Amino acid sequence: QSALTQPASVSGSPGQSITISCTGTSSDVGGYNYVSWYQQHPGKAPKLMIYEVSNRPSGVPDRFSGSKSGNTASLTISGLQAEDEADYYCSSYTSSSTWVFGGGTKLTVL
Amino acid sequence: QVQLQESGPGLVKPSQTLSLTCTVSGGSISSGDYYWSWIRQPPGKGLEWIGYIYYSGSTYYNPSLKSRVTISVDTSKNQFSLKLSSVTAADTAVYYCARDLGGGSYPRGMDVWGQGTTVTVSS
Repeated sequence: QSALTQPASVSGSPGQSITISCTGTSSDVGGYNYVSWYQQHPGKAPKLMIYEVSNRPSGVPDRFSGSKSGNTASLTISGLQAEDEADYYCSSYTSSSTWVFGGGTKLTVL
Repeated sequence: QVQLQESGPGLVKPSQTLSLTCTVSGGSISSGDYYWSWIRQPPGKGLEWIGYIYYSGSTYYNPSLKSRVTISVDTSKNQFSLKLSSVTAADTAVYYCARDLGGGSYPRGMDVWGQGTTVTVSS
């Protein structure tokens, strides 16, 4: 299975909105509504931010939202805050009953 | 509140078998509502999913690691374990265990993670 494709980096100013894309195939992202997004600060374990494409776990701010169109999923962060600066990873269930991660995107808050 | 804790040797010699255990506290591994996963992250690189297990013992592995990986569960100890054989320097990574929503159905996302444990493969 090949890793999902994410941009290496994105940036935005406080208060702005950014979107991170995650592109796969019809065997993963396009075939299932089981796409997750994780936030990882340096030296910390990843944190689940979005599951099942657009669901937020309890405690995750509603500034974080997820969507999907075809083989591409997206994470949007609105009202960007300094603490949002982190690495973000997407993950998708696959036709092999496995998970596959994206390569990760470094978000910089300017 | 469920917590996960990885444990095991921090240093493994090349060609040997890496063995890690994840202890689940604050909840039962036998609840049937979750899968239990292993994920790793090489230094400076991204996340790589290794595999997951259901409390019944059903397992699913990353195809690229399948020939070397075994994940098992011990419900009496509320633990699940990872064994990775024939390790090389490329297996040096932080290894995480995690709880995955959706046990018994499709896995839906890993909502609780351990803090991670660093394993270095070196002679």
